[in-house]
Amino acid sequence: DAMVIQNPRYQVTQFGKPVTLSCSQTLNHNVMYWYQQKSSQAPKLLFHYYDKDFNNEADTPDNFQSRRPNTSFCFLDIRSPGLGDAAMYLCATIPGGSGQPQHFGDGTRLSIL
Amino acid sequence: AQSVTQLGSHVSVSEGALVLLRCNYSSSVPPYLFWYVQYPNQGLQLLLKYTSAATLVKGINGFEAEFKKSETSFHLTKPSAHMSDAAEYFCAVSAYSGGGADGLTFGKGTHLIIQP
Repeated sequence: DAMVIQNPRYQVTQFGKPVTLSCSQTLNHNVMYWYQQKSSQAPKLLFHYYDKDFNNEADTPDNFQSRRPNTSFCFLDIRSPGLGDAAMYLCATIPGGSGQPQHFGDGTRLSIL
Repeated sequence: AQSVTQLGSHVSVSEGALVLLRCNYSSSVPPYLFWYVQYPNQGLQLLLKYTSAATLVKGINGFEAEFKKSETSFHLTKPSAHMSDAAEYFCAVSAYSGGGADGLTFGKGTHLIIQP
C-alpha cells in the first residue's frame, strides 16, 4: 500500500547531539510537512516543502532544519537538541493544492537524555 | 489567520450512546475543515473533511460532521459509540493561501473515553 513511512519510530539522543529523523512516501506527493507534537498537545507545523521549495513557519526555531533530496524523502535535522525538543514528530503529505487532506506517517517519538 | 477551538479536553460517553465532539473555527477566508483521529503512539488518520460542498459530511467509522457557517462550527457526531472509538480527536482548519500547500492549524484535541 502507498503510504508515509517514518523511521525510526523511537529515537533517543543526548542533549546537544545532532539527530536526524526520516520520512519517505510512496504517494508521489509534491508537498511534505513536518509537525511537532508535544505530550497531550496538538501538532504544530514546523515547515513544509512544495517540491524543492522550502517554507519555514515564522516561529520554528533555527535549531530545526529540513532537507528534501528527492520527491520521496524528507529529513528533519535537529542540530542541538534540548530537553524541550522531546516530542512526537509527524510527517505528512498532500499532492498539492488547497483543501486536500494530509496523509500522516505514524511519527517518530524523540527522547532527549 | 485561522484558529480552532475544541470544547472539552475530555469527553466520556457510554458504549452505544451518542458521541458529540465540538469544534469552532475562526478563519478570515472560507475554510477547509477536517477531523482527524489519533490512537496512542500513532499518526493522525483522517475521519472526514469539509471543502465547501455539502454541509453535512459523512466520514469513516460512522462519524459525520455538519458545517454551520452562521455558528462557525464543525461538530463531530456518531450515533452509537463503540469501545474502539476511544482515542484523541483533532479538529483542524486550513485556509486557501494561494500557495497550494496550506498547513493545518489544529485544535487542542478531545480525548474520547468510552465507558462499558
